[in-house]
Amino acid sequence: SQTIHQWPATLVQPVGSPLSLECTVEGTSNPNLYWYRQAAGRGLQLLFYSVGIGQISSEVPQNLSASRPQDRQFILSSKKLLLSDSGFYLCAWGGNYGYTFGSGTRLTVV
Amino acid sequence: DAKTTQPPSMDCAEGRAANLPCNHSTISGNEYVYWYRQIHSQGPQYIIHGLKNNETNEMASLIITEDRKSSTLILPHATLRDTAVYYCIVRGPEEYGNKLVFGAGTILRVKS
Repeated sequence: SQTIHQWPATLVQPVGSPLSLECTVEGTSNPNLYWYRQAAGRGLQLLFYSVGIGQISSEVPQNLSASRPQDRQFILSSKKLLLSDSGFYLCAWGGNYGYTFGSGTRLTVV
Repeated sequence: DAKTTQPPSMDCAEGRAANLPCNHSTISGNEYVYWYRQIHSQGPQYIIHGLKNNETNEMASLIITEDRKSSTLILPHATLRDTAVYYCIVRGPEEYGNKLVFGAGTILRVKS
């Protein structure tokens, strides 16, 4: 069966520090992968999606970037975090029958 | 932008059926209706999806009107653990680059 892993579960980072969040998928090949963010009390916003290795599409301009170095690995990064980058970050893989989400990373920028 | 309209919140008594409405008047012929829910501090969980026929699984039933402009998610016997934000999403086929776009959803509160 397919599983999706995200880590870390929680993270507290100072403003201006770098960020790297990792997401890996097992049990499927060539998945479509997605990064979402949910600010406190807000809905889910799609940040990036990828349909294959090295293929990244950005949905909104922001301080973040994404990379897909391997088929089942999706990484969310930032060189310098802002306070506004705080939120709940979710990775998902998906197809025609919907998406499966990871357990998320709660990022607090202080 | 989300293509659906949902009430911001609803209450339901424990053990009763919860009926969550969704309007999607601009839905296209190849677009599916998906329902997800998000329990506090967790990732969204897939519930059910359908194109035009009513669907049922172990979690819920999905009733889509004949004109496909609205649908209702039914949780037949709501429990306290069903308290969550419920999202109704309309999306075309994945292979054409269509993605899940979440709106504000409906906060369902199940009360004892």
